[in-house]
Amino acid sequence: EVQLVESGGGLVQPGGSLRLSCGASAFNFSNYWMHWVRQAPGKGLVWVSRINSDASRITYADSVKGRFTISRDNAKNTLYLQMSSLRAEDTAVYYCARDIMHVFGVLRQYYYAMDVWGQGTTVTVSS
Amino acid sequence: QSALTQPASVSGSPGQSITISCTGSSSDVGGYNFVSWYQQHPGKAPKLMIYDVNNRPSGVSNRFSGSKSGNTASLTISGLQAEDEADYYCNSHTSSNTRLFGTGTKVTVL
Repeated sequence: EVQLVESGGGLVQPGGSLRLSCGASAFNFSNYWMHWVRQAPGKGLVWVSRINSDASRITYADSVKGRFTISRDNAKNTLYLQMSSLRAEDTAVYYCARDIMHVFGVLRQYYYAMDVWGQGTTVTVSS
Repeated sequence: QSALTQPASVSGSPGQSITISCTGSSSDVGGYNFVSWYQQHPGKAPKLMIYDVNNRPSGVSNRFSGSKSGNTASLTISGLQAEDEADYYCNSHTSSNTRLFGTGTKVTVL
């Protein structure tokens, strides 16, 4: 079964750091673009960051730029989110998700939509 | 990077059709045919329902359909069922190569 499993969440003080991980299984992780999306308690979904398959193209939401770093280890089938200078407003459930990718012979067609999501990991920033 | 605008809530009776709007700008919804829609039940991860404005992933009911006109995309649920009660979010690619979610719409089945 295609699966994403997040880990690394927890309670951290304001100004602190935390690294989230997202393990992928049952698909060729190295071919897919990946995302982090968060959801504050009782609030809506907010896109955080995206990384392409070989980590050569990375983008961030303005709210986390300069504080968060997305990365991946294709040999370990794992996506990461290094979070620093954490604020109370970073408190949320953090989801990892992959973009749709279809293979047509030797060609890969990427789509701007997230078809597989993890179950989320909770980050609480509080003193 | 303000969120795309959705109505806070939409309701309908079983069997009816409802439509959820998603309004952005020429830098996101209006500029690309890369609008997707997600369904989220309480305490669960989001589920992709529509991609590229009007395409359904395998396994998604054909009661769900999408469209776009100008800077506004729409999700229509026909033959409303109790299991459709959930939160729905639109999402669009942007000119900054980011993604932007909508504010979310709570669908209630009366």
